[in-house]
Amino acid sequence: AQSVTQLDSHVSVSEGTPVLLRCNYSSSYSPSLFWYVQHPNKGLQLLLKYTSAATLVKGINGFEAEFKKSETSFHLTKPSAHMSDAAEYFCVVSGADMRFGAGTRLTVKP
Amino acid sequence: GAGVSQSPSNKVTEKGKDVELRCDPISGHTALYWYRQSLGQGLEFLIYFQGNSAPDKSGLPSDRFSAERTGGSVSTLTIQRTQQEDSAVYLCASNGGSTDTQYFGPGTRLTVL
Repeated sequence: AQSVTQLDSHVSVSEGTPVLLRCNYSSSYSPSLFWYVQHPNKGLQLLLKYTSAATLVKGINGFEAEFKKSETSFHLTKPSAHMSDAAEYFCVVSGADMRFGAGTRLTVKP
Repeated sequence: GAGVSQSPSNKVTEKGKDVELRCDPISGHTALYWYRQSLGQGLEFLIYFQGNSAPDKSGLPSDRFSAERTGGSVSTLTIQRTQQEDSAVYLCASNGGSTDTQYFGPGTRLTVL
């Protein structure tokens, strides 16, 4: 069985400050892990994915995530938030099937 | 087509009516998922088809919900006797294997009056 937990339902940061969106997973397999972003009234877009290559994965729009097996974590980070980053972010674990986290809403204050 | 398509894009129905939502996955993709996203909520897994295996229906919220996948391609999600709490965006996704990127359709926005 697989599951994914996004530890924060809402994160608020100021523009120009770092972003940290936390994700922990549980999987019986060596999982693949993904982060998706959904902007208001838009469809889901893939930000980045980990598939057992480098543990530090770089994605679009300056986001990156680090796979830490010992901590079963795949946290999403960005050094400097931009207003356009305000959106809903989903962490996904994939093994036998795919499971989504509940989502984290990122708010960016001017 | 090049991507996952869903129809209709919007559906407004009256409480108690049945609705059918359609998903056309990417050609050749063996896995197909249905999710829904209610207002203010995260994505909720509904059902998963993988090839010819029995579908994983563990996410269906009630027996009013059912889904079929004919010929390993097109899928239909049926909601019987719709309720107002069924109002949501219903998303379909497909992929070619468990490590492949999941490709999402544009969704069907269902409104139950």
